[in-house]
Amino acid sequence: DAKTTQPPSMDCAEGRAANLPCNHSTISGNEYVYWYRQIHSQGPQYIIHGLKNNETNEMASLIITEDRKSSTLILPHATLRDTAVYYCIVREGNNAGNMLTFGGGTRLMVKP
Amino acid sequence: GAVVSQHPSRVICKSGTSVKIECRSLDFQATTMFWYRQFPKQSLMLMATSNEGSKATYEQGVEKDKFLINHASLTLSTLTVTSAHPEDSSFYICSARDLGQGAHSPLHFGNGTRLTVT
Repeated sequence: DAKTTQPPSMDCAEGRAANLPCNHSTISGNEYVYWYRQIHSQGPQYIIHGLKNNETNEMASLIITEDRKSSTLILPHATLRDTAVYYCIVREGNNAGNMLTFGGGTRLMVKP
Repeated sequence: GAVVSQHPSRVICKSGTSVKIECRSLDFQATTMFWYRQFPKQSLMLMATSNEGSKATYEQGVEKDKFLINHASLTLSTLTVTSAHPEDSSFYICSARDLGQGAHSPLHFGNGTRLTVT
């Protein structure tokens, strides 16, 4: 699976949009981009995933560049409860037996 | 959405004893489950892949005789830490995928088990 690069930490003001970037310049055609977050002492929580089109759900939006070499997770109105480590992971979508490989993630701190 | 339940959430045991951790997929069947371990201030590291009805596959450096995995049904996998030592103290997390949602469907994670070996 392709490697991803994320900033180690970011701050965001409560109520503002949080934009978390991820670089995956070696992504291949059948690899999906997945975003998870981990709040302290809990298991990772799935947020969203996509292949090439932008995606939106009740939690967030995922913007994938046209060349698919980078993506941005957008939390439209960050709250204090969104403080967590956010992981961007690239994984081949054709093999159900593939696990997820976690990198260091981005530690998002939402401040009042 | 798919729910993965893990039990217990927290366990303290004495050195030399064994501890069993259960991972259940509550509303879907999972032929494959993944076990991860996370040490403080580190990211999740895959330990092993649990396959229903067959032997688990272990990542390099993970002792299969120490971390026994049993995946006896399509909804339950167990991880037993045998002869636990303080260095086994960690956060253990399982995950599974609802294949009914497609091969690219996301992995869903349990809430983890905090193991402390004294």
